[in-house]
Amino acid sequence: TQLLKQSPQFLSIQEGENLTVYCNSSSVFSSLQWYRQEPGEGPVLLVTVVTGGEVKKLKRLTFQFGDARKDSSLHITAAQTGDTGLYLCAGINSGNTPLVFGKGTRLSVIA
Amino acid sequence: DSGVTQTPKHLITATGQRVTLRCSPRSGDLSVYWYQQSLDQGLQFLIHYYNGEERAKGNILERFSAQQFPDLHSELNLSSLELGDSALYFCASSVATTSGYEQFFGPGTRLTVL
Repeated sequence: TQLLKQSPQFLSIQEGENLTVYCNSSSVFSSLQWYRQEPGEGPVLLVTVVTGGEVKKLKRLTFQFGDARKDSSLHITAAQTGDTGLYLCAGINSGNTPLVFGKGTRLSVIA
Repeated sequence: DSGVTQTPKHLITATGQRVTLRCSPRSGDLSVYWYQQSLDQGLQFLIHYYNGEERAKGNILERFSAQQFPDLHSELNLSSLELGDSALYFCASSVATTSGYEQFFGPGTRLTVL
């Protein structure tokens, strides 16, 4: 069974601080996605990383895929209250197949 | 708005009962995935349909079944409900992109079994 472990499980920080959350697996995935989910809504895709060592930036968010394609990180610079939510990583084996989700990191950014 | 619709938004029922959750994928998307999200297990894949045919099964109980109709909407049937079936149920449709496949999630159905 493929598992994705996310850490930390919970994170509470002050507005303006930087943070990094991690997604680790013992398995190799063909690609990995990060989602953000707000209460009462479905997950929304933030980014897909495909190549080992790949770095993608989305405004204040920086995503990195590990060289071995087993792990990933999400770094947020100067967090804002609007960044509050559940951040999920999901591994993809290949093609149009089900996502394997981590349990998520619940981020709370306090003004 | 992802373009994926799910009804109902909330469902409260009793143990032993049967319910049906409905999902309409984005226009043109042939795939429908069903996922269950609970506090302790996170998001777990249940079943995948593509153009009316079952493609893959995940952690779906025998008490649960699904189908996808010719108009591509899908229904997830949950029977002999137990307290532990209380969860959020999401469906997603997928589309091919340059980075692979992207799944678009509906707003979910919150099921409460009393």
